[in-house]
Amino acid sequence: EVQLVESGGGLVQPGGSLRLSCAASGFTFSSYTMDWVRQAPGKGLEWVSYITSTSSTIRYADSVKGRFTISRDNAKNSLYLQMNSLRAEDTAVYYCARWSAYGDYRWFDPWGQGTLVTVSS
Amino acid sequence: IQMTQSPSSLSASVGDRVTITCRASQTINSFLNWYQQKPGEAPNLLIYAVSNLQSGVPSKFSGSGSGTNFTLTIGSLQPEDYATYYCQQSYSSPWTFGQGTKVEIK
Repeated sequence: EVQLVESGGGLVQPGGSLRLSCAASGFTFSSYTMDWVRQAPGKGLEWVSYITSTSSTIRYADSVKGRFTISRDNAKNSLYLQMNSLRAEDTAVYYCARWSAYGDYRWFDPWGQGTLVTVSS
Repeated sequence: IQMTQSPSSLSASVGDRVTITCRASQTINSFLNWYQQKPGEAPNLLIYAVSNLQSGVPSKFSGSGSGTNFTLTIGSLQPEDYATYYCQQSYSSPWTFGQGTKVEIK
């Protein structure tokens, strides 16, 4: 069964740091681009970052650029998101998702269950 | 690329046919996906590349469109279909989502 399991969320003060992890199983993790997508409470979905299979290409949303760092360890089938200089507006459920593809077409599937990050004093 | 869904919410009865519209701020060809999200759950892929049903998704869901205008149709609404639906473009980074359409029980 293809599965993604996030961990590392919690309560952090503004300006603080947190590292999220996503453990992948049931597929060849090293072959796929992986993404982080977040959802603020009661709000819609916002793409955060992606990293290609060999980490050769990394992209960030403008809202997190310079503060968040995505990385992966293919030997451990794991994806990470290092979040620094956290702000109240970063409060959200963070999902990891596999960037699946068929030809030129791409989509997020599957998604993890999400981990909640709360930035508050 | 901005994605705009309409309506933002709708109320419908069991058995109703429901249509949700998604408009892109520029052409995205057929790089359009749809997701369903139930309360407290992660999003789930319904349709990719405009009209292709993900494995396991019932055929009452269908998608159409091209360029900038797209639709998701639920053929006969059932209790398990009450959820929020999101469109998403995969034409160019940053990948963007519509604001969501919440389908509620009438």
